[in-house]
Amino acid sequence: GAVVSQHPSWVICKSGTSVKIECRSLDFQATTMFWYRQFPKQSLMLMATSNEGSKATYEQGVEKDKFLINHASLTLSTLTVTSAHPEDSSFYICSAPPGGEETQYFGPGTRLLVL
Amino acid sequence: QQPVQSPQAVILREGEDAVINCSSSKALYSVHWYRQKHGEAPVFLMILLKGGEQKGHDKISASFNEKKQQSSLYLTASQLSYSGTYFCGTTRGSARQLTFGSGTQLTVLP
Repeated sequence: GAVVSQHPSWVICKSGTSVKIECRSLDFQATTMFWYRQFPKQSLMLMATSNEGSKATYEQGVEKDKFLINHASLTLSTLTVTSAHPEDSSFYICSAPPGGEETQYFGPGTRLLVL
Repeated sequence: QQPVQSPQAVILREGEDAVINCSSSKALYSVHWYRQKHGEAPVFLMILLKGGEQKGHDKISASFNEKKQQSSLYLTASQLSYSGTYFCGTTRGSARQLTFGSGTQLTVLP
């Protein structure tokens, strides 16, 4: 299967700081990538759809000014959590479908802890 | 709208079979099945597209009944490595956004 990487794998930060998470498709190009958030013992919730060369599409209830998404190339999407607070602590996972495929491959996830 | 998964949890002995169901109140285009182990990201198992297909590899297979908007994942002769939380993800129309079910926690005991 296709490979998606994420960096960092975990991050601890102080409340009020911003954190950037990278999602890369290593062996394919992805015009679209997806960002999910998962709280402990819960399901994955779609946050936003990242579109290469255009604005991201956010799901209802997700603040676009707080969760900034940039998809500057066909292999890289970034999610920046601005002014992070303890309630933003979660497992953030990206996914990407290779061009022409329906299958979505997930990155290994980034665990964020805001103190 | 989130698809409904059942059961919420199941405990098996090695070698036993299990069925996990996923149903939606809305028309579906595709159903994706993933397994997630504790602390890790979901791993893709298989995808079933509109058309009522059935798929399988090794001892894991799945079916998709488009008319009933249901999919089932079949695990036969379960192995210890099958333990984890299974999620179904569904898409509607041509949109690729996945909506995940609440998950089924599967525990296989020796």
